[in-house]
Amino acid sequence: GIQVEQSPPDLILQEGANSTLRCNFSDSVNNLQWFHQNPWGQLINLFYIPSGTKQNGRLSATTVATERYSLLYISSSQTTDSGVYFCAVAVGPGGYNKLIFGAGTRLAVHP
Amino acid sequence: NAGVTQTPKFRILKIGQSMTLQCTQDMNHNYMYWYRQDPGMGLKLIYYSVGAGITDKGEVPNGYNVSRSTTEDFPLRLELAAPSQTSVYFCASTYEDIGGQYFGPGTRLTVT
Repeated sequence: GIQVEQSPPDLILQEGANSTLRCNFSDSVNNLQWFHQNPWGQLINLFYIPSGTKQNGRLSATTVATERYSLLYISSSQTTDSGVYFCAVAVGPGGYNKLIFGAGTRLAVHP
Repeated sequence: NAGVTQTPKFRILKIGQSMTLQCTQDMNHNYMYWYRQDPGMGLKLIYYSVGAGITDKGEVPNGYNVSRSTTEDFPLRLELAAPSQTSVYFCASTYEDIGGQYFGPGTRLTVT
């Protein structure tokens, strides 16, 4: 089956720093999503981004589907950005959006 | 809108017991999903549904059953609970098969 690899596995930042998280996938996908799981366990959908670039405030994401990777950029990080960031890809004929998750990048932002 | 709601938030089961995890969404989404998340891991798909009366297996369906009698509800049934089913269970929904999924707050289940 498809492999989803995220890097780095762990990241520690000082508040205000920028960072780039990477997601590599081993096969063609129907779409790709980025999620943030906060320290309380809630999963928040950040981006639905099968290709191209999107921005939402301090966060932006770029997916290059032909090269099978996606990047999540966090600028001017804040302590509230702490948590785990998951990349998930959707596979399957006809869609159905059956997501395959990576293992995540655990981010800690210190004041 | 309440979005996706799940009950209970926490549950402890003894080995061999059964229970149903409830999931309800009020967004009129056709597609609903159940995932489990083991400690330090990403989520894995258990079952999904593309509409009332239609369900199918995901990546890790063994030990679980689902039903979808209405658009709003998608309960997950555990029969004969085992310690390997200790996990956090998330329900999600989306309006169409291509699009961002919206997750409930999760149910933390411990089987001892």
